[in-house]
Amino acid sequence: NAGVTQTPKFRVLKTGQSMTLLCAQDMNHEYMYWYRQDPGMGLRLIHYSVGEGTTAKGEVPDGYNVSRLKKQNFLLGLESAAPSQTSVYFCASSRHGLAGGGYEQYFGPGTRLTVT
Amino acid sequence: KNEVEQSPQNLTAQEGEFITINCSYSVGISALHWLQQHPGGGIVSLFMLSSGKKKHGRLIATINIQEKHSSLHITASHPRDSAVYICAVKHTGGTSYGKLTFGQGTILTVHP
Repeated sequence: NAGVTQTPKFRVLKTGQSMTLLCAQDMNHEYMYWYRQDPGMGLRLIHYSVGEGTTAKGEVPDGYNVSRLKKQNFLLGLESAAPSQTSVYFCASSRHGLAGGGYEQYFGPGTRLTVT
Repeated sequence: KNEVEQSPQNLTAQEGEFITINCSYSVGISALHWLQQHPGGGIVSLFMLSSGKKKHGRLIATINIQEKHSSLHITASHPRDSAVYICAVKHTGGTSYGKLTFGQGTILTVHP
C-alpha cells in the first residue's frame, strides 16, 4: 500500500494564479483532511471530509476550496493564490472518527507551496 | 493562550540520555496523539491514548486526564530520534470527525 500520497511535492505560484493539490489514499479511509503548517504554529485544519461527496470547513478555510468526488481522493484548490498561502500543506486520512477517541491519522508527505 | 502547549520548544541531548517532552492542554479531550515529524517533513503517528500509558520500543507515552497533561519519554536516545515531536488533542463534544488541535512541536536534536 502506498498509504497517503500528495502531488505535487513542490510548487511556486505567482499571486493570483490558481492550482489544485491532489491527495490520494489507498486505505479505504472515510475521513480525509487538509492541513497547513507554518513556522511557529501548529498544524491547522483547512477543510475536511467525512465521506465521499461531503466536505466541511476547518479552522482556516478562507481562500481554499475542496472536493471529494471519489472516496480515495481529496482535492484542495486555490482559486487566486496569495503570499499568505505560502506554507507546507499536509493531507491526512483516518477511519471513521467515532465520538470518543477516534482513530489515528495517516499523513501524506506534504506539498511545499510558495506564492510570490 | 494556546489550547495545547508543549515544552520545551527545543531540546538537545547526548546519545543515550533519557528524554521527556511535555504536553499540557486546557480543553476537555477524548484522546491525545503524539506525532513525529522527521527533518524530511513526513509526519508519523506514534501514539494515540486516552488514559494511562503506552509503550512502543524505546518510546513511552503517559497521560493524566485530571491534570490535563501528557508526557512522551524516549529511553536510550539515539541521533535517529532527532525530529519534531508534536502533541495533538481531540476535543470532546461537537462532531465526531476526529478533528485535532496541534501543539507547536518540540524540536529534538540528539548528538552522537
